[in-house]
Order: sequence, then structure tokens, then C-alpha cells
Amino acid sequence: QQKVQQSPESLSVPEGGMASLNCTSSDRNFQYFWWYRQHSGEGPKALMSIFSDGDKKEGRFTAHLNKASLHVSLHIRDSQPSDSALYFCAASEPNTNKVVFGTGTRLQVLP
Amino acid sequence: GPKVLQIPSHQIIDMGQMVTLNCDPVSNHLYFYWYKQILGQQMEFLVNFYNGKVMEKSKLFKDQFSVERPDGSYFTLKIQPTALEDSAVYFCASSSASAETLYFGSGTRLTVL
Repeated sequence: QQKVQQSPESLSVPEGGMASLNCTSSDRNFQYFWWYRQHSGEGPKALMSIFSDGDKKEGRFTAHLNKASLHVSLHIRDSQPSDSALYFCAASEPNTNKVVFGTGTRLQVLP
Repeated sequence: GPKVLQIPSHQIIDMGQMVTLNCDPVSNHLYFYWYKQILGQQMEFLVNFYNGKVMEKSKLFKDQFSVERPDGSYFTLKIQPTALEDSAVYFCASSSASAETLYFGSGTRLTVL
């Protein structure tokens, strides 16, 4: 059973549209969360971290964390074709520093 | 931004042989990780390493796997002997502290024949 589940598996949005990605953890040991993005042929790159309940905005990207429900979301405003990539939610256990990645959401932004 | 270098980018070996994957992490980073990715799907945690020791390893980190970072040089993942199911892209990552962002290399594509 995957400890960090993402939905949807894939998502298509028009250029300029809003993309919404979801992530749910089944392990309350996870305290810290990140969103990473991976373009084809590259390693993942961090978009943003979120450690506290509520919203965190960085440019076109807004993350939301609800620790009670272990749910994290990422919203991408004004999506661009360059945003097309594989998006991962990642969660960290503070005791072991193990960082577990979610199942991934493949985003396609259509010109 | 900070760069993690992985060498080689591709490696093809015969089943049963030994392989060593090399990672040159960001210079002042202290925490090191290996992940396995098959067919561009999920990033599977293998192991993390700090202060010369393995902190946590997953079920995918079989007895044939080992990691080390002798004297601050490359952080290495050794597989001995290799199996067909070890074919994947292996990513190295490093971070400066606990609960900090991971910086990834571009991966080593391992093909076991």
C-alpha cells in the first residue's frame, strides 16, 4: 500500500487554465511536505515546501496543507506549456529523514 | 542552483556482474539519498545516509545493495550481483539538513541484460 497517494494520475488543462493536483498521506509520522516537478530526462526539482496548515503561495503556484486530514494540494494558475511534466508530492519523517514520494500526476498543458 | 552530478549517465551490464553508481553531491550537503524510477513512473525510496551511516532503507534495498561515501568523495551505490529487475533509472539526491529540500542529479540509466 502506497503511503503517499496522488490524484489524478494524469491531467490535461488548456494554456492559461488552472491545474489542481492532490496528495494524501496515510502515515501521521509525515510532518513535512514538498511538491517536486520532473521533466522528461531530468531529475525532480523542488517547486515548494509546506510545513504548516493553510496556504502557501509562490508566484503562480499555491500549495495547501491540512495536517488533520493529511491532505496536500497544489494549484497552478495561468498554466503554461512548460508546466507540462510529472508532479510529485513528497513527505518526510522527522526521525529518520526518509523522504517518500507520491505516485505522481502527469500534467499536460495544451497550447 | 546547486548541482548534483551522477556518473555515468548510462550503464549496460550483464546479469550477475557488479555495478557501482557514482554521485557527486552538493559540496556542503550532509544528507544523501538514492531513489529508483522505472519507466518514468514513481520515485521509489531506496536508502538515505548521514554521518557515514545508513539512516533508513526500504524493502527495495536488497542485501545485494550497499552505499558508502569514503572520506567525503563520491556517494556510491553498489549492486553485487545485479539482477534483471535492477534495470531502472537511479537518482541520487542530497540536502543540507534534515527537513530541507532535496537536490537531484540527472540519474543513471542502468540496463541489466
